Amino acid sequence: AQKITQTQPGMFVQEKEAVTLDCTYDTSDPSYGLFWYKQPSSGEMIFLIYQGSYDQQNATEGRYSLNFQKARKSANLVISASQLGDSAMYFCAMRELNNNAGNMLTFGGGTRLMVKP
Amino acid sequence: SAVISQKPSRDICQRGTSLTIQCQVDSQVTMMFWYRQQPGQSLTLIATANQGSEATYESGFVIDKFPISRPNLTFSTLTVSNMSPEDSSIYLCSVVPGGGIADTQYFGPGTRLTVL
Repeated sequence: AQKITQTQPGMFVQEKEAVTLDCTYDTSDPSYGLFWYKQPSSGEMIFLIYQGSYDQQNATEGRYSLNFQKARKSANLVISASQLGDSAMYFCAMRELNNNAGNMLTFGGGTRLMVKP
Repeated sequence: SAVISQKPSRDICQRGTSLTIQCQVDSQVTMMFWYRQQPGQSLTLIATANQGSEATYESGFVIDKFPISRPNLTFSTLTVSNMSPEDSSIYLCSVVPGGGIADTQYFGPGTRLTVL
């Protein structure tokens, strides 16, 4: 079974509008972390935002915020005031504390975001 | 944080040949990870490389096809052996400098491999 599911292969958003990228996850580990990365066409992986399973508040980093709904096992990324430079692939990823000897991330399939001028 | 460099940044290779990708990190790390990203796809973990021991491979990846070296705590190589066009991908080296649940995983710039 997929551990990280991103149901939107591609999305369009108008410049200056907000957009939500969906991510659901599956784990039985009570301790886990959720990450979002951006991958522009250059191929580099850019870390955006982190949410821990025990965090009481939703994470925010500038124009990025995370809508964390633990009971639903979802961690949607919200980008406010979209810019043309936000056009990229976005990946949701998870790290489980107790089932992960290597401490590495498991990635979802990604969402391609395209910002229209 | 960690700064990671990879060589080569891209290559075009002939079927049946092998390519060795180098990964250099600016700090000592216990584990290094190698990922493959096929065109239009997500990242898939190939193997985890520990210094001083054999790499641990994920299901679907074998040492004969993807031999890995880890001679010290800042360097690793991944070889893609007996290449076929299906091996055309971006190969990414990655590290997690800390050991905590919240520690960021850093990635190299990737090696874009095209096999003809």
